[in-house]
Amino acid sequence: QSVLTQPPSASGTPGQRVTISCSGSTSNIGSNTVYWYQQLPGTAPKLLIYPNNQRPSGVPDRFSGSKSGTSASLAISGLQSEDEADYYCAAWDDSLNAWVFGGGTKVTLL
Amino acid sequence: EAQLVETGGGLVRPGGSLRLSCAASEFTVSRNYMSWVRQAPGKGLEWVSLIYSGDLTYYADSVKGRFTISRDNSKNMMYLQMNSLRIEDTAVYYCVGGSSFDYWGQGTLVTVSS
Repeated sequence: QSVLTQPPSASGTPGQRVTISCSGSTSNIGSNTVYWYQQLPGTAPKLLIYPNNQRPSGVPDRFSGSKSGTSASLAISGLQSEDEADYYCAAWDDSLNAWVFGGGTKVTLL
Repeated sequence: EAQLVETGGGLVRPGGSLRLSCAASEFTVSRNYMSWVRQAPGKGLEWVSLIYSGDLTYYADSVKGRFTISRDNSKNMMYLQMNSLRIEDTAVYYCVGGSSFDYWGQGTLVTVSS
């Protein structure tokens, strides 16, 4: 079981807004920055969201992140076909002295 | 742009050893936070180890005492020495650069099987 909890799947129609949750604890999300990664089928993951909801160059602004307490979320506004992928949250855990990942959420278009 | 290339994966028997290498270009290994992250077939991401400032290292509990992370600054490379390999270590191993896990290699497959 992953230390960070994500729903295994999420879906939406083209143009819809989809939100993915990531639940942790005071030792990880509650204390540290949360990062989000996108993994397209058959490829390596790539960084999607930086601290303070910043995005690396080339990441569309329809992706946004937020955090409240020990939970975080990733929102995809205006879902597009190229957004079909697996999404992972990650954070440093002060108790484990380790990076922890969520189990991943597979986003599909309806 | 930064590029990371992993080599060294392959098939190994349980209890065996393997050393993974990560060659970096347009990215200085010695000045950056470097990690290994793995992904078992059909599974999610699992952090394995990191090395950063002053050669400080951290390991996941699942590999502590069996894996050793290191780097060669003169060659701009990072390594993962994996000993006492177990079937559950079977995964694609990614070399990752940056404190935000900014840059990822394409991965190298390690298969532990008898």
